[in-house]
Amino acid sequence: NAGVMQNPRHLVRRRGQEARLRCSPMKGHSHVYWYRQLPEEGLKFMVYLQKENIIDESGMPKERFSAEFPKEGPSILRIQQVVRGDSAAYFCASSLDPEMGTRYTEAFFGQGTRLTVV
Amino acid sequence: RKEVEQDPGPFNVPEGATVAFNCTYSNSASQSFFWYRQDCRKEPKLLMSVYSSGNEDGRFTAQLNRASQYISLLIRDSKLSDSATYLCVVIPDMTTDSWGKLQFGAGTQVVVTP
Repeated sequence: NAGVMQNPRHLVRRRGQEARLRCSPMKGHSHVYWYRQLPEEGLKFMVYLQKENIIDESGMPKERFSAEFPKEGPSILRIQQVVRGDSAAYFCASSLDPEMGTRYTEAFFGQGTRLTVV
Repeated sequence: RKEVEQDPGPFNVPEGATVAFNCTYSNSASQSFFWYRQDCRKEPKLLMSVYSSGNEDGRFTAQLNRASQYISLLIRDSKLSDSATYLCVVIPDMTTDSWGKLQFGAGTQVVVTP
């Protein structure tokens, strides 16, 4: 059972380009979280999704950022017109449906995508 | 007030010693609690869940105090490899708007020295 898979592991973009970060959850997991971590800082919540539904996007910047988790395929975090301040590590985590009970809320992280904007 | 707060440390611990630290949470309607460990520039890894009755996993002991709204982690017989940042995670229950959402503390840094 493969863990959470994120790709690419490293991504370099020029200012103004688009960045697409992919996250394939663990098999059987229906919920996906995206977090951003700046150097020397903690994890900042961005968005929480289940398939075909955004549950909570309160941590997403209002502009340029979007996320989706389609019925088929990985979750995508999309950053349009990247700026230097978007350079960070972006981590994805997945879990079973928390509604199933507390035993099912353990979340597992992917290795992250390190985005560098030059 | 932050939803989840931790002492950032660092806690400098001699090898073989015991270290303990807490994490406080603001939402009394929280259902699940975890400790994660994060090594420099790597992904957080689940260390252990925290159960109401407290639980132990080898040298690690976790406790939950619902009345005072904090969880704790104790590490006995510290090893050099225990050096890391320990992240507290709280998940609110279904009575809140934030149910299911992992809420992270900023982390407590532990440095074990020879």
